[in-house]
Amino acid sequence: EEQLVESGGGLVQPGGSLRLSCAASGFTFSHYAMSWVRQAPGKGLEWVSAISDNGGTTHYADSVKGRFTISRDNSRNTLYLQMNSLRAEDTAIYYCAKDSIGYYFENWGQGTPVTVSS
Amino acid sequence: EIVMTQSPATLSVSPGERATLSCRASQSVSSNLAWYQQKPGQAPRLLIYRTSNRATGLPPRFSGSGSGTEFTLTISSLQSEDFAVYYCQQYNNWPLTFGGGTKVEVK
Repeated sequence: EEQLVESGGGLVQPGGSLRLSCAASGFTFSHYAMSWVRQAPGKGLEWVSAISDNGGTTHYADSVKGRFTISRDNSRNTLYLQMNSLRAEDTAIYYCAKDSIGYYFENWGQGTPVTVSS
Repeated sequence: EIVMTQSPATLSVSPGERATLSCRASQSVSSNLAWYQQKPGQAPRLLIYRTSNRATGLPPRFSGSGSGTEFTLTISSLQSEDFAVYYCQQYNNWPLTFGGGTKVEVK
């Protein structure tokens, strides 16, 4: 069974940093692009960032460009999101998602909450 | 950025009735459109990809149609487990974008 398990969320002050992880199992991780998608409290879904299967290509939403960095370790079957210069508007549940061909999301983790507040 | 607009924001439907959800793109996304279902406290779940292809295990009461800028998700006979929020997403252009969602509630 395919599984994605996020970790690393928590409470951080504005301007602070956090690194999220997503452990993948049940599929050949290195064959798939991956994404992070977030959802602010009571709001809709917002795509954050994507990375190709070999890590060679990355994409970011304008709202996080220059502050967040997506990466992956295919030897550890793990996806990461390094979040710097955090703002209150980054408060959300962060989901990692397995991308299918064409970058739609065929499997999702349960999410990890991030709260940016003083 | 392609803006995805879903309508209506809320749809009140009785169990057993048909539900029709709309999604409009600000420019053509070809057939690169997916639909997701999200229930309270849960992660989203893929329903439809490439406009009309059902995800593995999805009941045939769910169907998708459209192309270019106008898309529709139809649930032919609503079951109790179908009351949820539905999102469309385009993957034709970067950045990937979602619609604001349609909440399907019990009438």
